[in-house]
Amino acid sequence: EVQLVESGGGLVQPGGSLRLSCSASGFTFNTYAMNWVRQAPGKGLEWVSTISSDGGSTYYTDSVKGRFTISRDNSKNTLYLQMNSLRAEDTAVYYCTNRGMAAAGIRVFECWGQGTLVTVSS
Amino acid sequence: EIVMTQSPATLSVSPGESATLSCRASQSVSSNLAWYQQKPGQAPRLLIYGASTRATGIPARFSGSGSGTEFTLTISSLQSEDFAVYYCQQYNNWPPLTFGGGTKVQIK
Repeated sequence: EVQLVESGGGLVQPGGSLRLSCSASGFTFNTYAMNWVRQAPGKGLEWVSTISSDGGSTYYTDSVKGRFTISRDNSKNTLYLQMNSLRAEDTAVYYCTNRGMAAAGIRVFECWGQGTLVTVSS
Repeated sequence: EIVMTQSPATLSVSPGESATLSCRASQSVSSNLAWYQQKPGQAPRLLIYGASTRATGIPARFSGSGSGTEFTLTISSLQSEDFAVYYCQQYNNWPPLTFGGGTKVQIK
């Protein structure tokens, strides 16, 4: 069974930093691109970032470029999101996701973690 | 960036009836369109990808259609567990991957 378990969320002041982790199991982690998707309270879904299976390619939504860094450790089956210079508008539940049973290259999100809440407030 | 627009924002439907949800893309996304269902307090669930292919374990009462810029999700004979928020997402031109604003299907 595929499991994605996020951790690392919490309350942080504006301008602060936080690192999210996503521990993966139940699938061959190093063959899957991985993604972060977020959802602000009461709002819709927003794609944040994607990393290729080998970590060699990364992609970001414009609003986080230069502030967030996605990375992975395939030896530990773990995905990360380093978030710096946090703003109030980054407040959201952050989900770790992958394409699940969809074919490689189909950028959809079938497997999701339970999410971790990041709150940016003074 | 491709903008995805969903309508209506809210749909009131009686159990057993069908529901038709719309999603429009600001430019063609071919058939690279997915639909998700989200219930309160839960992560989203992938329903449809490739505009019309049901994801693993999704009941046949969920069907998707369309291509280019106009897409539809139809839920036939709504069950109590189908009342939720539904999102469309395009993956044709990225980054960024973009979602619609959602349609809430509520009990009439």
